[in-house]
Amino acid sequence: DVVMTQTPVSLSLAIGQPASISCKSSQSLVHSDGKTYLSWILQRPGQSPKRLIYLVSKLDSGVPDRFSGSGSETEFTLKISRVEAEDLGVYYCWQATHFPLTFGSGTKLEIK
Amino acid sequence: QVQLKETGPGLVQPTQTLSITCTVSGFSLTSYYMQWVRQTPGKGLEWMGFIRSGGSTEYNSEFKSRLSISRDTSKNQVFLKMNSLKTEDTGVYYCARGAIMDAWGQGASVTVSS
Repeated sequence: DVVMTQTPVSLSLAIGQPASISCKSSQSLVHSDGKTYLSWILQRPGQSPKRLIYLVSKLDSGVPDRFSGSGSETEFTLKISRVEAEDLGVYYCWQATHFPLTFGSGTKLEIK
Repeated sequence: QVQLKETGPGLVQPTQTLSITCTVSGFSLTSYYMQWVRQTPGKGLEWMGFIRSGGSTEYNSEFKSRLSISRDTSKNQVFLKMNSLKTEDTGVYYCARGAIMDAWGQGASVTVSS
């Protein structure tokens, strides 16, 4: 199975500060069709996950442009240019290139 | 408006069978994959399997021997059934739409206990 390793485990940031979350996969996530099926989801406290980014860098509709995704092959990054209060929660990366689909263990973002 | 809602039993006894229904609206099951993902205290988020828009299924080998996913397109419902439940299966079970899960249900909380 592809192992997804996220760092850091937690982040504590003040409003307005930038955030960066790393996600590394144990195998290349480039599919045979040429696409890279790496997504980021946010799970706010008490809520179900919500997708933010798919195919490495494509923002879902309604996701603020302070969020961005980048990376290739086995190394990926989620960045928030300026953290806002509504961004708190746990961020997960996950891959759909290889079976079984696998998730990272999450990065908890707390607001100072 | 796309909506997904899971309904389940809440409490299931060990060795029994879990049945959860995902009722969707705002889209057709014949146009989208439907996935099942669970979140447990021990293993976090785990992909369980999916049913393709054409009706074929794919399962995580971790669950394959005891998991079944099916659907009733006329009722806009997708079903998860998993037998031989253990206490470690306690968690929240989500259905999600699409091959890369663009929408998730609210989740069905399941406790496996006698």
